[in-house]
Amino acid sequence: SYELTQPPSVSVSPGQTARITCSGDALPKQYAYWYQQKPGQAPVLVIYKDSERPSGIPERFSGSSSGTTVTLTISGVQAEDEADYYCQSADSSGTTFGGGTKLTVL
Amino acid sequence: EVQLVQSGAEVKKPGESLRISCKGSGYSFTSYWISWVRQMPGKGLEWMGRIDPSDSYTNYSPSFQGHVTISADKSISTAYLQWSSLKASDTAMYYCARQDAGDDAFDIWGQGTMVTVSS
Repeated sequence: SYELTQPPSVSVSPGQTARITCSGDALPKQYAYWYQQKPGQAPVLVIYKDSERPSGIPERFSGSSSGTTVTLTISGVQAEDEADYYCQSADSSGTTFGGGTKLTVL
Repeated sequence: EVQLVQSGAEVKKPGESLRISCKGSGYSFTSYWISWVRQMPGKGLEWMGRIDPSDSYTNYSPSFQGHVTISADKSISTAYLQWSSLKASDTAMYYCARQDAGDDAFDIWGQGTMVTVSS
């Protein structure tokens, strides 16, 4: 089955830049999507089609793609950005989520 | 307001059957797919399968094929996730999510339904 690989955790101080990666063989051919999930809440879409930002999502969230890796970048991290982040992409049977990355704001 | 509202938490015994629901409002229900996503306690998101409410076409993740059934009633803008015989390992939070047929993004999520299976 298709796998998307994320680092389990990323830590950053407030005001710094956080980068969360997601690797998968099909990513050069398929768009990636990113979700933020805070404890006890449903996920929220923060990036679609590799780099597009839905309305209402702060500009500090951005996405990029290079080869088999996509990256979610959070510039000027705030305490409220502490959450789990998941990448997602299509595969032959439907869609797959990465294992998730816990972002800790120190 | 566009929203998906799920049915409430369930506590069941192993071997029992269960159907949980997801009602869409504020948009054309038949214009978007509905997917179901599992999240076991303390774990990540797992895509289970999806349905096109316009014609009830479904496709399932190989990991869940044969273990659950996804259905929809477009007359009441509601999608369902069903088990015929629950196991303790089905204990999880289950989310429904809206998906544009031309885009893989899950742009609207339900609030989640917690299913607990315990003897």
